[in-house]
Amino acid sequence: DTGVSQDPRHKITKRGQNVTFRCDPISEHNRLYWYRQTLGQGPEFLTYFQNEAQLEKSRLLSDRFSAERPKGSFSTLEIQRTEQGDSAMYLCASSPAGQGYSYEQYFGPGTRLTVT
Amino acid sequence: KNEVEQSPQNLTAQEGEFITINCSYSVGISALHWLQQHPGGGIVSLFMLSSGKKKHGRLIATINIQEKHSSLHITASHPRDSAVYICAVRYSGGSNYKLTFGKGTLLTVNP
Repeated sequence: DTGVSQDPRHKITKRGQNVTFRCDPISEHNRLYWYRQTLGQGPEFLTYFQNEAQLEKSRLLSDRFSAERPKGSFSTLEIQRTEQGDSAMYLCASSPAGQGYSYEQYFGPGTRLTVT
Repeated sequence: KNEVEQSPQNLTAQEGEFITINCSYSVGISALHWLQQHPGGGIVSLFMLSSGKKKHGRLIATINIQEKHSSLHITASHPRDSAVYICAVRYSGGSNYKLTFGKGTLLTVNP
């Protein structure tokens, strides 16, 4: 396995359209995270899955955002009725199960969304 | 509010110089990560530490838990070290799986 992959790498969409991003974690990792990074800022936590269960969702994730991980493997992040403020890099990371403090997160290359 | 502060925000160095990037945080943590991000977005984990010091090649990371402070050092810097370096922490307590990030330090190493 070569690491976390994300698709697409770049997405340009018009305001009001829906977009969906996919993340494929490292195969044996049961924890999956989505983060969002705007220009000049560090990433911010969006949501977290352990297997197929979505265990936490940030207040940053408005009702227009939904994330799924139906079989505990890949995950999708959908944004409905996109707004210009949604323009950002969307990062996915995964980590193996283990003690809470002892594991690293492995990041994908990100999906850069531009809303025009 | 739990915050992670990095300094400096931008750093320009000449090849060969010794580099230090600082990170401070406000409450107890279970682990601190140093990450590297190149243009285009990909993030690579450099270190994860909860105490003491770690070294990998020309990179050294230290943490002082009592002072809530960590430093990343680069010895004999090289232009290929040019990147954004990000400090991130995992806080102690309930949500100890997610990372809280600093804004990053943009390092430019000139030949």
